[in-house]
Amino acid sequence: AQSVTQLDSQVPVFEEAPVELRCNYSSSVSVYLFWYVQYPNQGLQLLLKYLSGSTLVESINGFEAEFNKSQTSFHLRKPSVHISDTAEYFCAVSGRYYNQGGKLIFGQGTELSVKP
Amino acid sequence: GAVVSQHPSWVICKSGTSVKIECRSLDFQATTMFWYRQFPKQSLMLMATSNEGSKATYEQGVEKDKFLINHASLTLSTLTVTSAHPEDSSFYICSARDYGLVGNEQFFGPGTRLTVL
Repeated sequence: AQSVTQLDSQVPVFEEAPVELRCNYSSSVSVYLFWYVQYPNQGLQLLLKYLSGSTLVESINGFEAEFNKSQTSFHLRKPSVHISDTAEYFCAVSGRYYNQGGKLIFGQGTELSVKP
Repeated sequence: GAVVSQHPSWVICKSGTSVKIECRSLDFQATTMFWYRQFPKQSLMLMATSNEGSKATYEQGVEKDKFLINHASLTLSTLTVTSAHPEDSSFYICSARDYGLVGNEQFFGPGTRLTVL
């Protein structure tokens, strides 16, 4: 079984400041890792994912996350945030094997609030 | 690509009525679809996993007779909330998995806001 812990429920930051949203997971099997973003009253959009290979993955809008196997973490970072980054961010994990059903296990979410 | 739609986007109904929510994968075949429920300021709670042509697998604590799921084709799954009550009011989100993609990525619909009066 897998579980995900997002250590911060709310993260307020000023515009153009750096931000880190923390995510730790536990699993007895190899996993895929995801970050999703949710804007108010909308579904989830994939921000980035780690499947294999390089442990640093990047999104097209400046976010990056690093898979750290020893610390079982997948923290999300952005060096300079914009007002438009204000949203709810969810970290998720999925077991790699087909017989695990492809379920996503979500963290509790982190509300990123960017202030001018 | 990889677009998932939901219909309706919002619905208001009287207590005791049934409501059907549709989830469609528009440009890919989804052998597996998932239904989630989300309360305000909370994470997504997986309700059930739906595989095309077979019965849905419900998570523990989810009433299968209350939340009927049908996955009749590779592009359509429906969730019917039967005899809805105010406590069923929530944001329901579906997602679909593209069988051909590596990595178990799920593509999410925009959600359906259900309000039961």
